[in-house]
This record gives sequence, structure tokens and C-alpha cells, in this order.
Amino acid sequence: TQLLEQSPQFLSIQEGENLTVYCNSSSVFSSLQWYRQEPGEGPVLLVTVVTGGEVKKLKRLTFQFGDARKDSSLHITAAQPGDTGLYLCAGVRNTDKLIFGTGTRLQVFP
Amino acid sequence: ETGVTQTPRHLVMGMTNKKSLKCEQHLGHNAMYWYKQSAKKPLELMFVYNFKEQTENNSVPSRFSPECPNSSHLFLHLHTLQPEDSALYLCASSQDPTQSYGYTFGSGTRLTVV
Repeated sequence: TQLLEQSPQFLSIQEGENLTVYCNSSSVFSSLQWYRQEPGEGPVLLVTVVTGGEVKKLKRLTFQFGDARKDSSLHITAAQPGDTGLYLCAGVRNTDKLIFGTGTRLQVFP
Repeated sequence: ETGVTQTPRHLVMGMTNKKSLKCEQHLGHNAMYWYKQSAKKPLELMFVYNFKEQTENNSVPSRFSPECPNSSHLFLHLHTLQPEDSALYLCASSQDPTQSYGYTFGSGTRLTVV
């Protein structure tokens, strides 16, 4: 059973478009992290959200943690080719285990 | 050198070979991890080391053997692997095992078992 489901799995868009990636679970997490992984590299941490309802912005990226701390979303405004990559959410439960989501592969065409 | 460094970047090995993957971090982190990343599957946690002590073995087959000689170095010894073990093996470190500060990942070792 996959605890963290991400949608969509794949996304191909043109430069300048907006998009939202979702990370959903039936479990509660104490915090949630988002990573981006480029081809041939390891994932790189983008943000950590801790409080239910929390919103964090990182330039054109907006991250939100659900009120019940079971889900999260990542919104990208005016996507650029440099945003291309695999986006991973990862949740921390009460134990010391970080659980990764299924991933969303984003391709932004110029 | 900063960050997490993994060597080699690519490895091709036969099923009867023995090889080792190396991971090194100079971030002062106390926890280190091995993950397996296969196509179409989420990142799978394999092993966790906290202050050099193994605290997690996520039902990994014995043909994978981790070693953590100090808090800066982590190895994954491989022997008699199967083709289905071909994957990207990622090492990560964190300041503490509660993951509250996030992980720093290496670039991974792309392993192909032939």
C-alpha cells in the first residue's frame, strides 16, 4: 500500500503555463517535504512544511500543507524549461521514517 | 568538498561479482541512508544509520550488506546480485534521524546487473 499518492504521474506543458501537483494520503504526517530530482542527479530538497494550512513560496513555486496534514500541493506559476524534473513529496510520520510519494514527472517545453 | 558524494556514478557488474558502493558526507550530519530508486516505483528505503549504528533494515536481501565505519562514510557491499537489482542507488544524510531538516542526497550510483 502506497501511503503517499502523487498526481498527475506525468505532465507535459508549454513554457509559461501554470500547473499544480498533488500529494495525497489517508495518513497524518508531522511534516511534509518536497524535492526535485533532475536526470542523473539525486533529489534536492525544495521546502519543508510543518503546520496544517501552511503556505510557503519559493519564487514561482507555492507549497501548501493541508489543514489536516494529510495532503499537500505544489503550484508552479509560469513554468520554465528549468523546472523540468521529477517532483517528489515525502512525509514524516511519528516514527523516524521519511516516506516518499510516487512522484510527478514534469516536462516543460520551450 | 561539500554535500554528499557517491562513487562510482555508474557500475556494471555480473551476477557473480562483488562490488562496493561508497558514500561520503562532510556536512556534519549524524544520520545516513541508502535508498533504491527503480523505474515506476517510489524511492525505497533500504538502510538507516544513526551515529554509525544501524537502526533500520527495511527487509533488504542479504546480498546487500551495508557498512558505516564512521559518521562521514557509508558503504553498500554487493554480491551475487540479480538483474532485478539494477537501479539507481542513492545515499542521503540528515542532521538528525527525525528528518525535520530534510535530506541531502548524493547523485547516486546507476547499477546495472548483467
